[in-house]
Amino acid sequence: GAVVSQHPSRVICKSGTSVKIECRSLDFQATTMFWYRQFPKQSLMLMATSNEGSKATYEQGVEKDKFLINHASLTLSTLTVTSAHPEDSSFYICSARVRERGLGARGYGYTFGSGTRLTVV
Amino acid sequence: GQQVMQIPQYQHVQEGEDFTTYCNSSTTLSNIQWYKQRPGGHPVFLIQLVKSGEVKKQKRLTFQFGEAKKNSSLHITATQTTDVGTYFCAGRSRDFGNEKLTFGTGTRLTIIP
Repeated sequence: GAVVSQHPSRVICKSGTSVKIECRSLDFQATTMFWYRQFPKQSLMLMATSNEGSKATYEQGVEKDKFLINHASLTLSTLTVTSAHPEDSSFYICSARVRERGLGARGYGYTFGSGTRLTVV
Repeated sequence: GQQVMQIPQYQHVQEGEDFTTYCNSSTTLSNIQWYKQRPGGHPVFLIQLVKSGEVKKQKRLTFQFGEAKKNSSLHITATQTTDVGTYFCAGRSRDFGNEKLTFGTGTRLTIIP
C-alpha cells in the first residue's frame, strides 16, 4: 500500500532553534499533504494543508511564519518549526490522501507518516 | 467550525467483552472515516462510510453511519488484547475548496486480560 515516510521520528532541540520535519510519499505522488499536531492523550488537530507548487493553507490560529510548510515536489513536503519554544513540544504527523480499494471512484483514505515527537528544552 | 465528539473518552473492558464508541458531528458529513492509533504510533485507516444508514463489517468490527449522516459508531465484538489503542472517527469536509479531515476526540480502549 501507499507509504508516507516521515523523518526524524524523534528530535530534541534547544529553545530558539529551528527544526525541519520531512514527509515523503514513497510509491505514489502526493499532490496534497496534511500536517497535524497531537498533544498527549488528545486528538489530531489539523495545522495546515500543503499543495504541491503552491502556498499552504493554514488553519485558524496556526502561525504561518512559525510553522513553515514547503511542498516543492509531488513526493516531498516539509514542516519547519522556527524559533521553537517548549510549548511547541508535540507529536507532529503528516498525511496524504490515497485511493482505498473497494471505496469506488470517490473513495479516499488517508495514509499517515509515523510521526515526529518534538521536545523543545 | 465543525466539531466531532466521541464518547466515551476512555473504556476499560475485560478481554472477551464487547466495546462500542460513538461519534457525533455538529454538522452533516459527506462521509466518515475511522482510524486506530496504537500507543506511540500513528493513525491507521480502518474504513470509510458514505451512505446514510450504511453498515460495514470487518471481522469483529462493525461500523455504522447514522441516517442523518451526523453520527457513527464502531462496535467490537469479543475484544482481544490486540484491540488496544485509541479509535478516532474523522469527518471529511470542504472548506473554501480545500478538503480536510476533522478528527473526533477519540476513545482510548484498554483491555484487562
